[in-house]
Amino acid sequence: GENVEQHPSTLSVQEGDSAVIKCTYSDSASNYFPWYKQELGKGPQLIIDIRSNVGEKKDQRIAVTLNKTAKHFSLHITETQPEDSAVYFCAASSSSDFASGTYKYIFGTGTRLKVLA
Amino acid sequence: GAGVSQSPSNKVTEKGKDVELRCDPISGHTALYWYRQRLGQGLEFLIYFQGNSAPDKSGLPSDRFSAERTGESVSTLTIQRTQQEDSAVYLCASSLEPLAGGYEQYFGPGTRLTVT
Repeated sequence: GENVEQHPSTLSVQEGDSAVIKCTYSDSASNYFPWYKQELGKGPQLIIDIRSNVGEKKDQRIAVTLNKTAKHFSLHITETQPEDSAVYFCAASSSSDFASGTYKYIFGTGTRLKVLA
Repeated sequence: GAGVSQSPSNKVTEKGKDVELRCDPISGHTALYWYRQRLGQGLEFLIYFQGNSAPDKSGLPSDRFSAERTGESVSTLTIQRTQQEDSAVYLCASSLEPLAGGYEQYFGPGTRLTVT
């Protein structure tokens, strides 16, 4: 079945530095890749997403890149701040799922990001 | 507006008992999802509802797990004869019609289930 691998599992950076989290997926039909941020005791919240027809998307300090050939995508956070500390999840979905009426994400195992002040 | 709500926020139950978890999706969201998140782990898909279509139950781990949804409103996830390995946070999410571009899933805060 489809699989999404995420690395690293934990990441500590100094405030102001950049953080990069990487994911690889197995289903070549996947065409939508969201990133979620989960703070302690809360549900995940979408922070950025990318569709397979673009290679990069940016929103202020957050950017996502996609390499369809290699089947991997990455989250980049620049100028990190203490409030960026959380668990980040990548996910992949598939157009074949949409067409059949089935719609679900396969999530990565998460990255715990700590921004040190 | 109101987000996805779940109840109870915490549930402690004895092994072998049945539990029922509730999810109230965002009004107007036709799609609803249940996930399980074990401690320190990722999100494991359980079941997906879309409008009046047959639900996708492919992620339910055993026949002790079942879920219902009435129309496009509340959903309940039922776990019968709970086992200690059922201990986890159960997350519910909703979205607009996926085929109409409703990709973003909005998550509730989850129900933390502890089976003793």
